[in-house]
Amino acid sequence: SQQGEEDPQALSIQEGENATMNCSYKTSINNLQWYRQNSGRGLVHLILIRSNEREKHSGRLRVTLDTSKKSSSLLITASRAADTASYFCATFNQAGTALIFGKGTTLSVSS
Amino acid sequence: DTGVSQDPRHKITKRGQNVTFRCDPISEHNRLYWYRQTLGQGPEFLTYFQNEAQLEKSRLLSDRFSAERPKGSFSTLEIQRTEQGDSAMYLCASSSGRGSPLHFGNGTRLTVT
Repeated sequence: SQQGEEDPQALSIQEGENATMNCSYKTSINNLQWYRQNSGRGLVHLILIRSNEREKHSGRLRVTLDTSKKSSSLLITASRAADTASYFCATFNQAGTALIFGKGTTLSVSS
Repeated sequence: DTGVSQDPRHKITKRGQNVTFRCDPISEHNRLYWYRQTLGQGPEFLTYFQNEAQLEKSRLLSDRFSAERPKGSFSTLEIQRTEQGDSAMYLCASSSGRGSPLHFGNGTRLTVT
């Protein structure tokens, strides 16, 4: 079963614009992780935010976490064509033995 | 660091045949995961190993699926009596500790005809 749900399912923007993706999850967490997947490839870890953090930055990425609303957002600033990919949020189950992914947001950045 | 490698990259098989996939995790990672992903969906968790022990299995892992990790190094995923519904990308990942990020291989794409 899916732990998280991303919104929107698909997003199309122009180069230079910002892209915001949202994620909602169901159970309490220790951390929430965001991954990126290029077509036909494996997933690449982007950023991890712990449950006691509210915001985290990494380069052009900004992640926020609101544990009271069980939601997170990923902001990509000044997007580039190379950012075109699918983006997934993920959280571990209670036992810490399975990282459960949402359905993802497909981002398309046109030049 | 050579990353997580999976073999083969692609497999085409006829319905009813058995297939086996291999995953070589990052050498110092003791945790290994298998996922299945179909088009337009997120990865679905199949199973988890800590060293050689299989500690978690999804209900998705029917009795036709079996995974092993002998000696806590590489892992194999076998699907017996394949069905068309088994067509998917099978992803392997490894990590170094509880709650740590996963490092994924590029997957094995299975097509069952």
